[in-house]
Amino acid sequence: GQSLEQPSEVTAVEGAIVQINCTYQTSGFYGLSWYQQHDGGAPTFLSYNALDGLEETGRFSSFLSRSDSYGYLLLQELQMKDSASYFCAVRGSQGNLIFGKGTKLSVKP
Amino acid sequence: GAGVSQSPSNKVTEKGKDVELRCDPISGHTALYWYRQSLGQGLEFLIYFQGNSAPDKSGLPSDRFSAERTGGSVSTLTIQRTQQEDSAVYLCASSLAPPGGGGYTFGSGTRLTVV
Repeated sequence: GQSLEQPSEVTAVEGAIVQINCTYQTSGFYGLSWYQQHDGGAPTFLSYNALDGLEETGRFSSFLSRSDSYGYLLLQELQMKDSASYFCAVRGSQGNLIFGKGTKLSVKP
Repeated sequence: GAGVSQSPSNKVTEKGKDVELRCDPISGHTALYWYRQSLGQGLEFLIYFQGNSAPDKSGLPSDRFSAERTGGSVSTLTIQRTQQEDSAVYLCASSLAPPGGGGYTFGSGTRLTVV
C-alpha cells in the first residue's frame, strides 16, 4: 500500500521562503505530485516530479529524491494568498492518487 | 465543459435517507475519481473510473456506497441509508488517462450534512 507523511502545520512570514517536506512509502512509484487547497475551495494541481531533481514553476519549486522516498515543495517570496493547505500525493498502480493529510501553511504579515 | 462540475453544492439530509451526488467531468477526460474530505482532513480515495474498464472500488467504505458512470462521462455517487459519519465534502476529479503528471482537475465538491 501507500502512505505519506507531511507536517500538519507550517507558519512563515510574508516574503520568506518555506519548505514543506513529504516522505512516502509505496509499493510502486509513479511520481510525486503537489496540490494546493484554499479553505472551502477545490484542490488545484501545482507540480509533479517523476524523476529526481528540482522542478521550478514560478515562485514554487518541487524536489524529489526517489532513493530517499522524499520530496519537498518550496515556496519563495511568500504572499498572503499562499495561505492554504498543501498536499503531496503519489499515484497508485491503478492510476488513482493517494494523498497525504496535508500541511496547513499560514503566512503572517 | 470548461471545468469539473458537481451538483448539488450543498446537501442536507436526514439520517437513513439515500442521496445522489453528481459529477460532470471535463470533456475528453477518460478518468474520473471520487474522494471524500472530512473537515480539516486529507482526501480519502473512494472510487476510480478509467474508460470502459471496471471501476476500482477499493476505497468505498461500505456497501452503502456505490457509483456509476454513464456513457463514459457523467458519474453519480450514491450513498444509501446515510449515517452522520458520512458528513463530509465529496470531491470529484477528472484527468486524461493515464494521468500524465498527476494533473487532476477537481470540482468544487458537494458538502453533505447528515442530520
